[in-house]
Amino acid sequence: GAVVSQHPSWVICKSGTSVKIECRSLDFQATTMFWYRQFPKQSLMLMATSNEGSKATYEQGVEKDKFLINHASLTLSTLTVTSAHPEDSSFYICSASAAQHGGYGYTFGSGTRLTVV
Amino acid sequence: QKEVEQDPGPLSVPEGAIVSLNCTYSNSAFQYFMWYRQYSRKGPELLMYTYSSGNKEDGRFTAQVDKSSKYISLFIRDSQPSDSATYLCAMIVDTGRRALTFGSGTRLQVQP
Repeated sequence: GAVVSQHPSWVICKSGTSVKIECRSLDFQATTMFWYRQFPKQSLMLMATSNEGSKATYEQGVEKDKFLINHASLTLSTLTVTSAHPEDSSFYICSASAAQHGGYGYTFGSGTRLTVV
Repeated sequence: QKEVEQDPGPLSVPEGAIVSLNCTYSNSAFQYFMWYRQYSRKGPELLMYTYSSGNKEDGRFTAQVDKSSKYISLFIRDSQPSDSATYLCAMIVDTGRRALTFGSGTRLQVQP
């Protein structure tokens, strides 16, 4: 089946530094990638949607200059949290969509737990 | 009002019980419905997906959709401790390039 590999699974960084999270679709081409943030005991909140080769579309309230998304190829999308602050500590999850999946074609990565100290 | 409402629980049941998880939604345009299971600190994994109203069964899991009432359910038979997780309902108007709309998730604890 379709697999999305997300790395790192967890990261601790100092306040003010940047962190990059990668999502790779291993056995399919991801035409669209969704990035979510999840706080403890809460549901997934969509941050942005990116289509390969296009600029990402950000949800209201999400700072595009702080959360940089790159979807340069059909198998790789990255989320960079720039100048991270403790309030950015959260669980970040990517989800890939591909037209050839059949079914409803949404596969999730395993998530990245970011802790900013 | 949220587009998708889901009781957050927690729901605690003894091993072997039948579990009923439910979501209601307000957008009648939703056409595709999914249930995901999420273990702690992991990404969601797809359990069931349905398109039309009615029931769909897969092993111990049954998904039920009632579009007229805007109500979906997931039933788990013979629940096991390994079923302890958060269950998220999700739905979408059409597939492809749109993000899923999630419920808030129900935490389920199956006691051995």
